[in-house]
Amino acid sequence: EIVMTQSPATLSVSPGERATLSCRASQSVNSKLAWYQQKPGQAPRLLIYGASTWATGIPARFSGSGSGTEFTLTISSLQSEDFGVYYCQQYSTRPPTFGPGTTVDIK
Amino acid sequence: QITLKESGPTLVKPTETLTLTCTFSGFSLSTTGVGVGWIRQPPGKALEWLALVYWDDEKRYSPSLNSRLTITKDTSKNQVVLTMANMDPVDTATYYCARRPRRGEDFFDYWGQGTMVTVSS
Repeated sequence: EIVMTQSPATLSVSPGERATLSCRASQSVNSKLAWYQQKPGQAPRLLIYGASTWATGIPARFSGSGSGTEFTLTISSLQSEDFGVYYCQQYSTRPPTFGPGTTVDIK
Repeated sequence: QITLKESGPTLVKPTETLTLTCTFSGFSLSTTGVGVGWIRQPPGKALEWLALVYWDDEKRYSPSLNSRLTITKDTSKNQVVLTMANMDPVDTATYYCARRPRRGEDFFDYWGQGTMVTVSS
C-alpha cells in the first residue's frame, strides 16, 4: 500500500495570502493524485484530480502541481471560505490511500 | 444533479454487523467506468477508503478490512449496500459513500453527507 504524507500539519494564513500545501507519496503515483477540502461537519469536496485538473466549479485560485512522489496544492489568495482541512489521495495503485491532512486556519 | 445519501443505524453493539445503504441519483451505476465507494472517518482523524463497487460488478476492498466487508449494488434501485461484520468501538466513525466517476481513476467527485456510526454496548 502506498503511504501518503502531508506537510505541514497545520498552516496559519492571513486572508489574501498565498498558501502552499505539500503531499508526498511513498512511491511514484505518476499524476494520479487528487486533493480534497473538508470543512467541519461537512463531507470532503473534490478540488483537483490528475494532480492539476480542476474539478467542476473549483475557483482558479486553487492550483495543483507535481508528479511522481511530490505534489503541491497552492491557494493563490486565501479567502475566508478556504479554511479547513485539505487531504491528498493517490489512486495510482489499489488500495486508494489518503494523506493525514493539512489544516489551514486563520492567522 | 448528482446526489448521494447514506442511511443506516447510528448505534451498533460490539460484534454486531453494520449495514449501510447509499442511495444515489443523477447517474447510473450501469454506465461504463462508474463506481460507488465507501470511505470512513473516525472523529478528528483522516479519511480511510473501505470498498468500491464498479459498473461491471467488480468489487474491491481495503486489504486490512477485507474479511469483514461486503459491498453490493442494486442498479435498478440506485443503491449500494455495505456490510461490515464484527463491529468494534474502533469502527466508530462517519461513513461516507461517494462516486468514482470513470474507468481507471479511483478518486471521488461527489460525496454523500455522511452518517455517523457509534459502536458501543
